[in-house]
Amino acid sequence: EAGVTQSPTHLIKTRGQQATLRCSPISGHTSVYWYQQALGLGLQFLLWYDEGEERNRGNFPPRFSGRQFPNYSSELNVNALELEDSALYLCASSTGGPSQNEQFFGPGTRLTVL
Amino acid sequence: AQKVTQAQTEISVVEKEDVTLDCVYETRDTTYYLFWYKQPPSGELVFLIRRNSFDEQNEISGRYSWNFQKSTSSFNFTITASQVVDSAVYFCALKNNFGNEKLTFGTGTRLTIIP
Repeated sequence: EAGVTQSPTHLIKTRGQQATLRCSPISGHTSVYWYQQALGLGLQFLLWYDEGEERNRGNFPPRFSGRQFPNYSSELNVNALELEDSALYLCASSTGGPSQNEQFFGPGTRLTVL
Repeated sequence: AQKVTQAQTEISVVEKEDVTLDCVYETRDTTYYLFWYKQPPSGELVFLIRRNSFDEQNEISGRYSWNFQKSTSSFNFTITASQVVDSAVYFCALKNNFGNEKLTFGTGTRLTIIP
């Protein structure tokens, strides 16, 4: 069974540009989560999508947004990139439902903002 | 507010030694879930275990074991007879039962196994 996949692996942008990161969940999973892992800040929750709807959002500005498609894949968009947006962005998926369900993570997209 | 503390930033042990990674958590919830993840150099977080707050039974899986103690709000992870492949960053995480699905992570412990 294929795991969570993310693309691209690496992304280099300049300040002020927009970045789009993509995630495909494990087959059968309806929930997708985005986390940011920045140096010195640890792993921080960004967004949760379930059944096409944004269900929860972390403490990030509105220029971080995303969506979930009918096939449950997801996009994370970061507008007006700032240098501090440089980080590893991890996507995870789960079956949804009870909160006890574990989240399975993809390999991440490393975003570098110059 | 929820918080997870992993006080050990880095640990180095010689191969075959046992090592324990500490995790202390804070939550006001009566029902919650605790997790351990492994992050090898490739970057992908690998799920290791989930523990429910109402189940304090310790668990062993091969060389891995977990000690959950509600009285001290700790969920420690022990690797027995460590191997070089165990070298990674290990994260402890907490999730409440309110359905917001947010995982709160500790800052991680970087474990290096010296051959």
